[in-house]
Amino acid sequence: NAGVIQTPRHKVTGKGQEATLWCEPISGHSAVFWYRQTIVQGLEFLTYFRNQAPIDDSGMPKERFSAQMPNQSHSTLKIQSTQPQDSAVYLCASSLAENTEVFFGKGTRLTVV
Amino acid sequence: AQKVTQTQTSISVMEKTTVTMDCVYETQDSSYFLFWYKQTASGEIVFLIRQDSYKKENATVGHYSLNFQKPKSSIGLIITATQIEDSAVYFCAMREHDSGYNKLTFGKGTVLLVSP
Repeated sequence: NAGVIQTPRHKVTGKGQEATLWCEPISGHSAVFWYRQTIVQGLEFLTYFRNQAPIDDSGMPKERFSAQMPNQSHSTLKIQSTQPQDSAVYLCASSLAENTEVFFGKGTRLTVV
Repeated sequence: AQKVTQTQTSISVMEKTTVTMDCVYETQDSSYFLFWYKQTASGEIVFLIRQDSYKKENATVGHYSLNFQKPKSSIGLIITATQIEDSAVYFCAMREHDSGYNKLTFGKGTVLLVSP
């Protein structure tokens, strides 16, 4: 069990460019989460998939952020027209079921310059 | 309103002592799950221990244990025989039925510094 795998670990983009972050959840886990962490806001929920279906995207900034889960082994978070305020650590996590603990990947540190 | 509150911003202890970190939560649900996580200096978030709301017994894993006081909506983390490597940020989190268990709501975290 390699845990939740996130790539890349670091990404630097220019303002206005697109950034795509990748996540491979733990095999067999039906629930996948995306979180964002900053010093100011702490850990913020972005979106949630269950059995690959998008269930809750209440934390996603509506305009430029999107997430997909095309198959059970990976999910992507795409940020269009990145802005400096998007700079953060983006964390993917998965859990076996709704009532079990959530395991986190090591995160992708996004820096928008 | 904050649903998960950790009032202690930071705690400093000497190695081999016992430390307790506080956490209170708000929920209307009868069914919920409480978790503690540790974020290391490298940024990695590690699951430590969980408490199911319907269980009366306090959970224990290794040198981590919980003090679950349901009437007070409180779930304290107790670390016994602390070690230098326990220095980290500790987060309390809740997963509740009201949100469809769709999210893990975190507190702001408590920084623990263990000195030799």
